[in-house]
Amino acid sequence: DGGITQSPKYLFRKEGQNVTLSCEQNLNHDAMYWYRQDPGQGLRLIYYSQIVNDFQKGDIAEGYSVSREKKESFPLTVTSAQKNPTAFYLCASSSLGRVGNQPQHFGDGTRLSIL
Amino acid sequence: AQKITQTQPGMFVQEKEAVTLDCTYDTSDPSYGLFWYKQPSSGEMIFLIYQGSYDQQNATEGRYSLNFQKARKSANLVISASQLGDSAMYFCPTVGTSYGKLTFGQGTILTVHP
Repeated sequence: DGGITQSPKYLFRKEGQNVTLSCEQNLNHDAMYWYRQDPGQGLRLIYYSQIVNDFQKGDIAEGYSVSREKKESFPLTVTSAQKNPTAFYLCASSSLGRVGNQPQHFGDGTRLSIL
Repeated sequence: AQKITQTQPGMFVQEKEAVTLDCTYDTSDPSYGLFWYKQPSSGEMIFLIYQGSYDQQNATEGRYSLNFQKARKSANLVISASQLGDSAMYFCPTVGTSYGKLTFGQGTILTVHP
């Protein structure tokens, strides 16, 4: 079945440590996205990518980094510069159709906590 | 810039009844899209329905329909014949000319009572 796989489901970070969240999709989508969700809130865009080897900052990119070396993969690194990383992280992908009409399909998310 | 307002933090409905979840948006983009997503307590985001700003007809998908009033900038979701499995958080993000960038509001928690 086609879909988006995020791993791990739960992740714990020590102070000063970088951690990487994995996101893989087999939907053949060109665009991929990373969102952060805090409790009781909506999603906020961290980074997005429309093509391999290219990505753009979203609204809250500080303290995060990404790479897009393969169409299927869009890992997110939460660096030690992100002082409040505890949140639920969702990865999504979509086709590049007519602007605005392609739904984004989401993975099951990764819950990141500080130790 | 876009802004989404969902004024109902929580809604309750009896099983098999219909319910309307409100969504208003503010955008300066001439062309935009509106989505509704459902987020159960497990966390995944499930796409429900889409409405384009130039679509002439209101979107429908099974038990979901969208009451789109462009002049009022509202895109309310109507769920007919509610089921216990409809209990979840609901979001109505928009996307405009900033390609792929969904703007989310605070969401509405729907609880369906048996």
